[in-house]
Amino acid sequence: GAGVSQSPRYKVAKRGQDVALRCDPISGHVSLFWYQQALGQGPEFLTYFQNEAQLDKSGLPSDRFFAERPEGSVSTLKIQRTQQEDSAVYLCASSRQGGVWEQYFGPGTRLTVT
Amino acid sequence: KNEVEQSPQNLTAQEGEFITINCSYSVGISALHWLQQHPGGGIVSLFMLSSGKKKHGRLIATINIQEKHSSLHITASHPRDSAVYICAGPYSNFGNEKLTFGTGTRLTIIP
Repeated sequence: GAGVSQSPRYKVAKRGQDVALRCDPISGHVSLFWYQQALGQGPEFLTYFQNEAQLDKSGLPSDRFFAERPEGSVSTLKIQRTQQEDSAVYLCASSRQGGVWEQYFGPGTRLTVT
Repeated sequence: KNEVEQSPQNLTAQEGEFITINCSYSVGISALHWLQQHPGGGIVSLFMLSSGKKKHGRLIATINIQEKHSSLHITASHPRDSAVYICAGPYSNFGNEKLTFGTGTRLTIIP
């Protein structure tokens, strides 16, 4: 499997629970992006890493959202005290290096908060 | 107002028809991506282009940088082409090429 993988594929959380979503980018890809896609909408940017550095987190909707990529490969998006409005598909994408390169998307994690 | 606009929002066509999906953007996008999303959420990158035209099989993408407009064409459409097609572009912002997405065009090809 040379593509971007994400886990879990589906997550149901009760309101108030914390969740952690994992992204394994393509090996060697420098850039990693997280996007949020609400039902019936296009994806929206959350945050961006270049290696382990989080260069932009302007899209994170609140301080309940936190992302990390400590060794510059696998990334985790954590949502604390989940709310119903957090229900969405969370997409991860990686690209070869900094700059404008084709982004390769993972299958997404569908989060449902009940 | 979304800075990346697509039209039409929905398109239904008969198998074999020539399909055109349009994308207009109002910001300084450095390259445009065309993406395909099937039910279930997975996104596949079809094209990334910053000028001219690219072709892959029955898919053709064109872009006019001056007019800030791009089109995706599908020749000899087939039911398996049914999907949501999304255009997206990164701002010309060195160090962060996050994508801004259009709202998508839902294409349905009827056998």
